[in-house]
Amino acid sequence: AQSVTQLGSHVSVSEGALVLLRCNYSSSVPPYLFWYVQYPNQGLQLLLKYTSAATLVKGINGFEAEFKKSETSFHLTKPSAHMSDAAEYFCAVSPPTSYGKLTFGQGTILTVHP
Amino acid sequence: KAGVTQTPRYLIKTRGQQVTLSCSPISGHRSVSWYQQTPGQGLQFLFEYFSETQRNKGNFPGRFSGRQFSNSRSEMNVSTLELGDSALYLCASSLGSSWVGLNTEAFFGQGTRLTVV
Repeated sequence: AQSVTQLGSHVSVSEGALVLLRCNYSSSVPPYLFWYVQYPNQGLQLLLKYTSAATLVKGINGFEAEFKKSETSFHLTKPSAHMSDAAEYFCAVSPPTSYGKLTFGQGTILTVHP
Repeated sequence: KAGVTQTPRYLIKTRGQQVTLSCSPISGHRSVSWYQQTPGQGLQFLFEYFSETQRNKGNFPGRFSGRQFSNSRSEMNVSTLELGDSALYLCASSLGSSWVGLNTEAFFGQGTRLTVV
């Protein structure tokens, strides 16, 4: 079974500050890990994914995440927040053979203050 | 290249009715999966289809069903609607039989907002 825990349902940062969104997972098999972003009344857009290649994964819009097996973590970071980053972010896990099934965390709403 | 298209975008139904939602995947994609998103339960997996066959199913009652056509378009149906079925329903499509991996990913549509009154 897989599960995802996102620490902090709301995170608030100032424009230009570091963004850190936390994600811990549990999985019975080596998982694939994902970060998605959702803007109001929109679907989900993939930011980045880990599929057992490099542990430091770079995504779109300046985001990156590091897979740490020993800590079962996959935290999302961005060095400098922009107003347009305000959205809800979801961490998700999927075993490679679990067709179609992503298990999502509860989401973290990121607010960016000017 | 057109993205995943879900129709309709918004829907209001009465308790006890049934509803059908449609999802057209990205051209060439053969896998379609469905998710329900609610404030209380978050994003939950409903089912996945590949080449007209259901390959995976989540923990939803039998009132929730789906199908996939030969052109990969998919529909999901909810019968005997309950107030708790009010949600954003998202579908995602993927290219390959392995669904996601190093060279494939799932692309989501904008969703259908279902309100049951």
